[in-house]
Amino acid sequence: DAMVIQNPRYQVTQFGKPVTLSCSQTLNHNVMYWYQQKSSQAPKLLFHYYDKDFNNEADTPDNFQSRRPNTSFCFLDIRSPGLGDAAMYLCATSTYIRDRGGVNEQYFGPGTRLTVT
Amino acid sequence: RKEVEQDPGPFNVPEGATVAFNCTYSNSASQSFFWYRQDCRKEPKLLMSVYSSGNEDGRFTAQLNRASQYISLLIRDSKLSDSATYLCVVNPGGSNYKLTFGKGTLLTVNP
Repeated sequence: DAMVIQNPRYQVTQFGKPVTLSCSQTLNHNVMYWYQQKSSQAPKLLFHYYDKDFNNEADTPDNFQSRRPNTSFCFLDIRSPGLGDAAMYLCATSTYIRDRGGVNEQYFGPGTRLTVT
Repeated sequence: RKEVEQDPGPFNVPEGATVAFNCTYSNSASQSFFWYRQDCRKEPKLLMSVYSSGNEDGRFTAQLNRASQYISLLIRDSKLSDSATYLCVVNPGGSNYKLTFGKGTLLTVNP
């Protein structure tokens, strides 16, 4: 089945120790997103890629970086995690077809739950 | 007006009840609309897409009113398994790769 896969599902890291979360997709979607979600809040968009074009949200901290080496994979790097970065990190994919109303529905991976100690 | 605004909830209903969630959006150029459900500590999952006036899938009906910039989700004959947070999501259209999420409405269906 085509899907969005995230690894690891659970990640524990120490304060200040860099961590990388990964996402892969078999849907061949041209747009990939990283969201941060904290308890009882809506997902908060950190950044997204349209193909290789990177788009950072204005309020995403510099501590968060991303890479998309190819269509299928996308990585979220947190350079120096703080206690406030503990959250669920969700990867999502979508298709964007110009002249057809913009982006379609997003499909989410199962998320990586990050704990910072 | 917020970009996407949902009923704050929470909703607590008995099994078998009919429940409706409302969502308003501010951008009149919005192209398409989605309802997602999210179980506790899980990812959002697409429940329904709405591109024209509405959509129906079994016990679930979504209605769109573009004039009033309003979308609703109706759940009939609620089941215990319907307990989740329901997210209203809007595609603002244009050269925009992003969707705009509402804060969600928590539904608990009680036995």
